[in-house]
Amino acid sequence: GAGVSQSPSNKVTEKGKDVELRCDPISGHTALYWYRQRLGQGLEFLIYFQGNSAPDKSGLPSDRFSAERTGESVSTLTIQRTQQEDSAVYLCASSTTPSSPLHFGNGTRLTVT
Amino acid sequence: GENVEQHPSTLSVQEGDSAVIKCTYSDSASNYFPWYKQELGKGPQLIIDIRSNVGEKKDQRIAVTLNKTAKHFSLHITETQPEDSAVYFCAASITGGFKTIFGAGTRLFVKA
Repeated sequence: GAGVSQSPSNKVTEKGKDVELRCDPISGHTALYWYRQRLGQGLEFLIYFQGNSAPDKSGLPSDRFSAERTGESVSTLTIQRTQQEDSAVYLCASSTTPSSPLHFGNGTRLTVT
Repeated sequence: GENVEQHPSTLSVQEGDSAVIKCTYSDSASNYFPWYKQELGKGPQLIIDIRSNVGEKKDQRIAVTLNKTAKHFSLHITETQPEDSAVYFCAASITGGFKTIFGAGTRLFVKA
C-alpha cells in the first residue's frame, strides 16, 4: 500500500524566506511526527500529533517553526524567516498508535542559501 | 528525559563477518526498543524491534538483545552482505507514550 509521502523532496530557499513542507501520512494512522536530521546526524524530534488532541510542540527549536494537521490526514511544517542553520532533511513519520513502529517518508531536503 | 547513546558511529566489516551495534538508554521506564535502517536518500525503515518482556529476538540474519538491568540493547547482523551497508539507528520509547528517542546512528560499511 501507499507509504508516507512528503513534498517537496528538495527545497532550496533564500535566507529570510518562509517555507512550507507537506506530509501525507498512511491512511488510518492516528499518530504523526516530524523529525529533523542534520547532515550525518541523528533524528531530532520536533512535534507530535495524535488524533484530535493538542499537539506536543516541545521539540520545536524556535517560534519560527510551526506545524498543523487537519484531523488525521495531511500535516504541514512551516518555517518562517529561514536561517542557514535550518538546512537539514525534515522527516515525517506516522504510526497506527503512539507506541507502534514509525513509518517514515523519504523526507524533504531543505537548503537555505 | 530519555537519552540514547549509540556506538560505534562508524563500523566497517568484511562481507560475511558479523556486525554489532550497541546502545544504552537512561530512562528505566522505556520498554520498547526499535531498530531502523536508513539507506541513502530515504527515510529510516524498521528492521526489528524488541519489548522489555523478552531478552532476545531474531529475524533471519538479524538479532537484538536487551539487558534491562544494565539498560543496554544491541543489534547483531550475521553473514553481512554489501546491501547491509546503511545507517542504523537504535531508539527507545515508552508504551503508551509517544516520544521515540533515537541514537545518533551507526554508519555500517560492508566490504565485498
